[in-house]
Amino acid sequence: EAGVTQSPTHLIKTRGQQATLRCSPISGHTSVYWYQQALGLGLQFLLWYDEGEERNRGNFPPRFSGRQFPNYSSELNVNALELEDSALYLCASSRGTGKVREEQFFGPGTRLTVL
Amino acid sequence: GENVEQHPSTLSVQEGDSAVIKCTYSDSASNYFPWYKQELGKGPQLIIDIRSNVGEKKDQRIAVTLNKTAKHFSLHITETQPEDSAVYFCAAGSEKLVFGKGMKLTVNP
Repeated sequence: EAGVTQSPTHLIKTRGQQATLRCSPISGHTSVYWYQQALGLGLQFLLWYDEGEERNRGNFPPRFSGRQFPNYSSELNVNALELEDSALYLCASSRGTGKVREEQFFGPGTRLTVL
Repeated sequence: GENVEQHPSTLSVQEGDSAVIKCTYSDSASNYFPWYKQELGKGPQLIIDIRSNVGEKKDQRIAVTLNKTAKHFSLHITETQPEDSAVYFCAAGSEKLVFGKGMKLTVNP
């Protein structure tokens, strides 16, 4: 069974540009979570999508947005990039029970560098 | 807001020793407490989790304890092996997971 996949592996942008990160969940999983992992800060929760709807959102500005497609894949968009957005962005998926208490399976992440 | 504190931030042990990681959380509504292991260049992987109706759970060399009254939970790894070397994260939550900042464990052969 294929795990969670993310693309691209690395992404280099300049300040002010937009970045789009993609995630494909494990087959059969309907929930997708996005996290930001900056150096020394652990994982910061960004967004949670379940059955195409945004279920919860972390303490990030509105320029961080996303969506979930009918096939349950997801996209994270970051507008007006700032230097401090440089981080590893992790996607996780789980069975969609509407509860966060399901095991989340993580992808390898997308390394975003903002110059 | 919700907060999860994890300590120590680094730990170095000899092969065969035990390792303990402690976490405290602030949101009393938290009912799910997973532990993740992250190896270099990889995403975190769940190693064990515990729910609020259970005080202790064990899986081979790994055990987790939860004290809801004190709002803290711990991970115990016994008979450590070099392949246990990684960064370990605790997390707590109900509507969303809040992660600790991680602990880098080094097991010396």
